[in-house]
Amino acid sequence: DIQMTQSPSSLSASVGDRVTITCRASQSISTSLNWYQQKPGKAPKLLIYAASTLQSGVPSRFSGSGSGTDFTLTIGSLQPEDFATYYCQQNFNTPRTFGQGTKVEIK
Amino acid sequence: QVQLVQSGAEVKKSGASVKVSCKASGYGFNGYYMHWVRQAPGQGLEWMGRINCNSGGTNYAQKFQGRFTLTRDTSIDTAYMELSRLTSDDTAVYYCARDHPSSVATFDSWGQGTLVSVSS
Repeated sequence: DIQMTQSPSSLSASVGDRVTITCRASQSISTSLNWYQQKPGKAPKLLIYAASTLQSGVPSRFSGSGSGTDFTLTIGSLQPEDFATYYCQQNFNTPRTFGQGTKVEIK
Repeated sequence: QVQLVQSGAEVKKSGASVKVSCKASGYGFNGYYMHWVRQAPGQGLEWMGRINCNSGGTNYAQKFQGRFTLTRDTSIDTAYMELSRLTSDDTAVYYCARDHPSSVATFDSWGQGTLVSVSS
């Protein structure tokens, strides 16, 4: 199975900050990498797919980059509604695997 | 709009089975895979398997092979997951999630989740 490792596990940031979350795969996955946002008690929401494609309806302050084993999710200017947990997920092969999550908290 | 509505919370004893439904609307049910993902309390997301809603073909994560079954009823646009021989480790929220039309195994729409609690 491909292991997905996110860093950091949690971070504290202020509204307006630029935030970067990293995801590393245990083997090369090309650009087969998705990012999701999850708020407490809610289902995850797709933000980015294929490493850098913004899902329809997602604000442009979210962006993704990377290929191979190293990927990044960036929130350009953190908004109050962005405080949540973020997960990466590989869709390169089966079983599909997720990172352990990064919780973005209010500073 | 795409909507996935799951059945309600379940409480089960160890060793029992549970069946959760996922009713789809707002798109052509037969044209997509449906995946199932679970999340234990306070934990991350775990992919369990998928079903081709047209053919009924399935793929399961090895971890669940032998006690996990996915089915669908195309007459009512509903997918089902059944998990047997439950243990306390199966206590989790179970989600159905539809495949993105342009990206395999990318989950663009999710059900609201079904909490399955297993007690001994």
